[in-house]
Amino acid sequence: GAGVSQSPSNKVTEKGKDVELRCDPISGHTALYWYRQSLGQGLEFLIYFQGNSAPDKSGLPSDRFSAERTGGSVSTLTIQRTQQEDSAVYLCASSLLDTQYFGPGTRLTVL
Amino acid sequence: AQSVSQHNHHVILSEAASLELGCNYSYGGTVNLFWYVQYPGQHLQLLLKYFSGDPLVKGIKGFEAEFIKSKFSFNLRKPSVQWSDTAEYFCAVNSYSGGYQKVTFGTGTKLQVIP
Repeated sequence: GAGVSQSPSNKVTEKGKDVELRCDPISGHTALYWYRQSLGQGLEFLIYFQGNSAPDKSGLPSDRFSAERTGGSVSTLTIQRTQQEDSAVYLCASSLLDTQYFGPGTRLTVL
Repeated sequence: AQSVSQHNHHVILSEAASLELGCNYSYGGTVNLFWYVQYPGQHLQLLLKYFSGDPLVKGIKGFEAEFIKSKFSFNLRKPSVQWSDTAEYFCAVNSYSGGYQKVTFGTGTKLQVIP
């Protein structure tokens, strides 16, 4: 079946602009995660949605970052007033139990 | 706080050499342990996982990992690496507290296998 998809695959933006990154999880997966992968930094957890529970936002680095998950499926990660240090690959993963299935990521470049 | 340490950031091996990548975690409760792999240009994917039972788990492509509870370790091993094993390897820990799942990844180890 279809895996996790993310769009866009690449996004170049200017400092100060807002960006929206989209994640389509595997159908039926109740959990959805966002991570940030920077060079030499590994995977940085950002936010986690589980079913209808309140999301775990403990990994969001600042209030410029927010995410929502509509209808328990598609999720959007929004970064407001982007900064150069936001440049990274943003990964989305979904899971039904414990194993996470990752999307291809969105490479964000802030000029 | 939960944390995962991968001590080797970059490992270079010749083909047929043996591999062991270290992973240590800190958490006092019950955990599930994972190794994920990211081949060049591909998605992160599961290599193997430990939930309970036999602490020696086998994954795809001849990889195995041993959970040693007393050492809080989950090292990844392969007796004889191939050029196609060139990838970045991530150790991860899941724990549960108060109904919430907490996932923590290590910083990753880049493995380069020289033909």
